[in-house]
Amino acid sequence: IAGITQAPTSQILAAGRRMTLRCTQDMRHNAMYWYRQDLGLGLRLIHYSNTAGTTGKGEVPDGYSVSRANTDDFPLTLASAVPSQTSVYFCASSAQQGAPYNEQFFGPGTRLTVL
Amino acid sequence: QQQVKQSPQSLIVQKGGISIINCAYENTAFDYFPWYQQFPGKGPALLIAIRPDVSEKKEGRFTISFNKSAKQFSLHIMDSQPGDSATYFCAASNDQAGTALIFGKGTTLSVSS
Repeated sequence: IAGITQAPTSQILAAGRRMTLRCTQDMRHNAMYWYRQDLGLGLRLIHYSNTAGTTGKGEVPDGYSVSRANTDDFPLTLASAVPSQTSVYFCASSAQQGAPYNEQFFGPGTRLTVL
Repeated sequence: QQQVKQSPQSLIVQKGGISIINCAYENTAFDYFPWYQQFPGKGPALLIAIRPDVSEKKEGRFTISFNKSAKQFSLHIMDSQPGDSATYFCAASNDQAGTALIFGKGTTLSVSS
């Protein structure tokens, strides 16, 4: 593993189903993030975690939950998927939120379609 | 409320030309302004970034110009190449306070050969 991995690469999901998007980083970064990317809307922050054991809400948290049990993993769960959650989801990490020149590294994304 | 406004939404430039993408922000507490580049099917990657204590930063063909009084910053791509065709996002954060990046909506650049 090098950098950030996300799984699955893509998924078609029936509305109402539960889905967990997985994210793993091997850079020992403290901070991790989940974004959704929609055409014309750019990247919008869903949830973030500054360090293992803590999480926070971003711009569009409704319908999503996260957990951060350890440094490396940051899963995103859709408890009951709805069609408006059709999007491309990116996980990202950074050494420490608030550090000078805090570069975020992004995973390859998960394309989710909710029917 | 859109804190970072990016324009244009799309841009077509001839090979060898200059590509210019503009961003404006509202929060004067922002102190970190990166640009990210995203190729189709890939995640965004940091291209270049600037802090407000300088008015310009150059890395190869890529330059950020920063105007603190106008609360604007722009990305200039000199001698644009077809390989530069991608989506570009500006972003901003209050790095000192530890806030997350807020991204613009993106600009899709196409460089014709």
